[in-house]
Amino acid sequence: DIQMTQSPSTLSASVGDRLTISCRASQSINNWLAWYQQKPGKAPKLLIYKTSSLDSGVPSRFSGSGSGTEFTLAISSLQPDDFATYYCQQYNTYWTFGQGTKVEIK
Amino acid sequence: QVKMVESGGGVVQPGRSLRLSCAASGFTFSTYAMDWVRQAPGKGLEWVAFISNDGNNKNYADSVKGRFTISRDKSKNTLYLQMNSLRAEDTAVYYCAREGLATYLRVFDVWGQGTMVAVSP
Repeated sequence: DIQMTQSPSTLSASVGDRLTISCRASQSINNWLAWYQQKPGKAPKLLIYKTSSLDSGVPSRFSGSGSGTEFTLAISSLQPDDFATYYCQQYNTYWTFGQGTKVEIK
Repeated sequence: QVKMVESGGGVVQPGRSLRLSCAASGFTFSTYAMDWVRQAPGKGLEWVAFISNDGNNKNYADSVKGRFTISRDKSKNTLYLQMNSLRAEDTAVYYCAREGLATYLRVFDVWGQGTMVAVSP
């Protein structure tokens, strides 16, 4: 099974900050990596697929990068609506999620 | 618009069964593969089961294999999850998720709102 490890688990930030979230796969996933945003009591929402492709309607302040086993989600200028939990997911072999990164207000 | 609505959750005793439904609308249901994903209270997301667009291929997480069965009814545009021999660790919000097409293949591009299952004596 492919394991996904995110870091950090929690991130405290302010509006306007640039932040990055890391995601590591236990083996190569050929860039089959997605990122989801989830707010309390809501379903996850797709942000990025195939490592760096933004889903329709996702603001350009979000970006994804990486290859092989190391991946990153970046938010260039944090907005109030961005405080949420973010999950990476590999879809190279079945589907596995990272444990999540909660972005909270500093 | 594209929408999926889960139902069938509730409180159930360990060892009993429950069937979840996911009613899809706003898209051609038979074109898309579908999945169930769950989230235990305060925890992360866990993929549970997959079914191909035609229903001929299914896969399950090891944690539910042999106990859960995924199925779909094209005539009703509905996805199901039959859950047998339920355990306390199956307590979670269960989401149905649609897999996209083309460049979105195998990506969960649309999610339902979720239905809560609580397994308790």
